[in-house]
Amino acid sequence: NAGVTQTPKFQVLKTGQSMTLQCAQDMNHEYMSWYRQDPGMGLRLIHYSVGAGITDQGEVPNGYNVSRSTTEDFPLRLLSAAPSQTSVYFCASSYTNRGRNEQFFGPGTRLTVL
Amino acid sequence: AQSVTQLGSHVSVSEGALVLLRCNYSSSVPPYLFWYVQYPNQGLQLLLKYTTGATLVKGINGFEAEFKKSETSFHLTKPSAHMSDAAEYFCAVSDREAGTALIFGKGTTLSVSS
Repeated sequence: NAGVTQTPKFQVLKTGQSMTLQCAQDMNHEYMSWYRQDPGMGLRLIHYSVGAGITDQGEVPNGYNVSRSTTEDFPLRLLSAAPSQTSVYFCASSYTNRGRNEQFFGPGTRLTVL
Repeated sequence: AQSVTQLGSHVSVSEGALVLLRCNYSSSVPPYLFWYVQYPNQGLQLLLKYTTGATLVKGINGFEAEFKKSETSFHLTKPSAHMSDAAEYFCAVSDREAGTALIFGKGTTLSVSS
């Protein structure tokens, strides 16, 4: 199993550009989520999905869109990039939404918005 | 609402010394508690978790943590630090009843000197 994969690893955008961060998992996990990591802030939840066709907002959803058309994929879209979205983005998945289940994290995407 | 506080953003120890990383949580319901480790430029890896049962939890790489309900704490310890333990450590909590996403602390960077 490849686990949780994320592409690209690095990305530089100009303010106002749009892009999609890709996330895929091959563990047949129901639950997937996106976090952003900023220095001194820990990880903050952006959006999450409890299954195909179901998504919901996390702590910091503004400026981001998600969709979940398949179990495997959970892309994160930046509609109009802003410098405040410069961050490291992590995708994670777990077997179910039950809190006891370990979340598996991807290697991250480092995004810089100029 | 749940929250996690990690005391000390940076902890420095000598090789062979005791490692103690502090985590206190706030939760209105019995929580699930996790410690994750992040090595430089990598994603997060689960060290250990407390879900139910024994309050002393053993994890990978010689780490352990004790759930103390009366103190609302889940401190991470290792008897003897190794150079390879240098990393950032995150404590996280999830709601066992609602099955919500992980809420992370802001992280503690562990430095190990020879």
